Amino acid sequence: AQSVTQLGSHVSVSEGALVLLRCNYSSSVPPYLFWYVQYPNQGLQLLLKYTSAATLVKGINGFEAEFKKSETSFHLTKPSAHMSDAAEYFCAVRRNTGFQKLVFGTGTRLLVSP
Amino acid sequence: KAGVTQTPRYLIKTRGQQVTLSCSPISGHRSVSWYQQTPGQGLQFLFEYFSETQRNKGNFPGRFSGRQFSNSRSEMNVSTLELGDSALYLCASSGGGSSTEAFFGQGTRLTVV
Repeated sequence: AQSVTQLGSHVSVSEGALVLLRCNYSSSVPPYLFWYVQYPNQGLQLLLKYTSAATLVKGINGFEAEFKKSETSFHLTKPSAHMSDAAEYFCAVRRNTGFQKLVFGTGTRLLVSP
Repeated sequence: KAGVTQTPRYLIKTRGQQVTLSCSPISGHRSVSWYQQTPGQGLQFLFEYFSETQRNKGNFPGRFSGRQFSNSRSEMNVSTLELGDSALYLCASSGGGSSTEAFFGQGTRLTVV
């Protein structure tokens, strides 16, 4: 079975500050890991993915994440927050096979203040 | 390349009715998955179709069903609607096989009254 835990349902930062959104996973097989962002009344947009290549993954909009097997973590970071980053962020895990079922965390809402 | 298209975007139905939602995947993608998103339960997997075959199903009652056509377009159907079925239904498209990422549509917001 696979699962994802996102610590903190809400994270508040000031514009220009570091963004750190935490994700820990559990998987009985080597996982694929993803971060998605969701704006109000929108679908999910893929930010980045880990698929067993480089452990430090760079995504869109300046986000990156590091896969740490020993800590079963895949935290999302961005050096400098922008007002447009305010949204809900979801970490997801799936098996590294052809099946496409994603298991999502509960999400973290990022609030950015001026 | 066009993205994943879900229709309709918004829907209001009455308890006991049935509803059909549609999803057109990215051209060339053969896998379509459906998810339900609610404030209480979050994002939950409904089912996945690949080449017209359901190959994975989540823990939902039999009122929830789906199908995929030969052009990879997919529909999901919910019969005997309940208030608790009110949710954002998201469709995800993937190449399947070794393809790693899923691309989501804008979703269909279903409200059951």
